[in-house]
Amino acid sequence: EAGVAQSPRYKIIEKRQSVAFWCNPISGHATLYWYQQILGQGPKLLIQFQNNGVVDDSQLPKDRFSAERLKGVDSTLKIQPAKLEDSAVYLCASSLEASGFYNEQFFGPGTRLTVL
Amino acid sequence: DAKTTQPNSMESNEEEPVHLPCNHSTISGTDYIHWYRQLPSQGPEYVIHGLTSNVNNRMASLAIAEDRKSSTLILHRATLRDAAVYYCTVDSNYQLIWGAGTKLIIKP
Repeated sequence: EAGVAQSPRYKIIEKRQSVAFWCNPISGHATLYWYQQILGQGPKLLIQFQNNGVVDDSQLPKDRFSAERLKGVDSTLKIQPAKLEDSAVYLCASSLEASGFYNEQFFGPGTRLTVL
Repeated sequence: DAKTTQPNSMESNEEEPVHLPCNHSTISGTDYIHWYRQLPSQGPEYVIHGLTSNVNNRMASLAIAEDRKSSTLILHRATLRDAAVYYCTVDSNYQLIWGAGTKLIIKP
């Protein structure tokens, strides 16, 4: 079974530039998550999709971050414009579904973003 | 939302058991406890989960306190490949609440 795919693996940009990350979840997984992980911290949920609808985006800085999941499969996360504090690893995860008693999430390798 | 508290780091000798503690004193009655681990330069991977009873799988065991305010992840025989950051998370309203994790160092 193929895992969660993310690209690019690394990205270096200057502040005020734009950047986009791509995620392809495990086939058949209805729920997709984007996390931000700052060095030395645990992952912080940015947005959660159920199929192509948003379940929770309460921690997404909507003035600069946007995300979409067209057709309920692939997803993109965009930052425009980037700030120095956006330097982090951006993790994508997927799970079969968000509801129910069991919610194992499968993570991709992440995209390491450096903002100079 | 439930929060988790873990030691920043722990050390253990190779081939010895490891007990990783976690406090989650604000957990709700229906919140599951999940443990994930993150190897260097990789995304987190699932280790084990439970609600009230102790759980075992091929990777580890999970011991949950009777009042559910704490839990312990047990690696029965640590190897160098178990060196990672271990996260205790609470599944609250179908979202995982992550703490800062425990960095496990294995000494050969």
